[in-house]
Amino acid sequence: NAGVTQTPKFRILKIGQSMTLQCTQDMNHNYMYWYRQDPGMGLKLIYYSVGAGITDKGEVPNGYNVSRSTTEDFPLRLELAAPSQTSVYFCASCKDRGGYNSPLHFGNGTRLTVT
Amino acid sequence: AQSVTQLDSHVSVSEGTPVLLRCNYSSSYSPSLFWYVQHPNKGLQLLLKYTSAATLVKGINGFEAEFKKSETSFHLTKPSAHMSDAAEYFCVVISLYGSGNTGKLIFGQGTTLQVKP
Repeated sequence: NAGVTQTPKFRILKIGQSMTLQCTQDMNHNYMYWYRQDPGMGLKLIYYSVGAGITDKGEVPNGYNVSRSTTEDFPLRLELAAPSQTSVYFCASCKDRGGYNSPLHFGNGTRLTVT
Repeated sequence: AQSVTQLDSHVSVSEGTPVLLRCNYSSSYSPSLFWYVQHPNKGLQLLLKYTSAATLVKGINGFEAEFKKSETSFHLTKPSAHMSDAAEYFCVVISLYGSGNTGKLIFGQGTTLQVKP
């Protein structure tokens, strides 16, 4: 059982470039989340989705976009990369309401550097 | 609004000695609280959770935490540290705002646990 798979593991972007961080899960979870992790800051929620076709903004959505065309996939798009987006990005999924009744399952992260 | 504060950014213990990682929370109503662990270059894994049942919660790998409403605390403890416990630990509270009551998690800043031989 693969769980939550994120690709790529590492990426270096130049300012103004765009890219998509991929996230897929094989657990048939409805809830999916994108977090960014900066040193000493914990994890901040970027976007989340409660099911296919439904997405909503989290705490720090500016500069990002998401889509949820299938239950399995929840890609995160950076359109115009900026140095402030240098971070480690984590995708997570959950069977139901955000970790209350069942735990979040995390991917291993994508380490992104924007120079 | 809900929030959590982890009181120590870095804790260092010797192998075989007790571990204490401190977390205070703020919530206008009864919270649900979690501890997650992150080993190097890995995603986060649930250690334990409190959801208004027993105030002393036991988790994986010998960790436990006690919910103390009077002190608004949810400290994580372990009687005897192992080298494999070296990791970053996050205290987390669930926030029930947002459409559909999604239960978004609010993370503390994290505590790095170092275990010395």
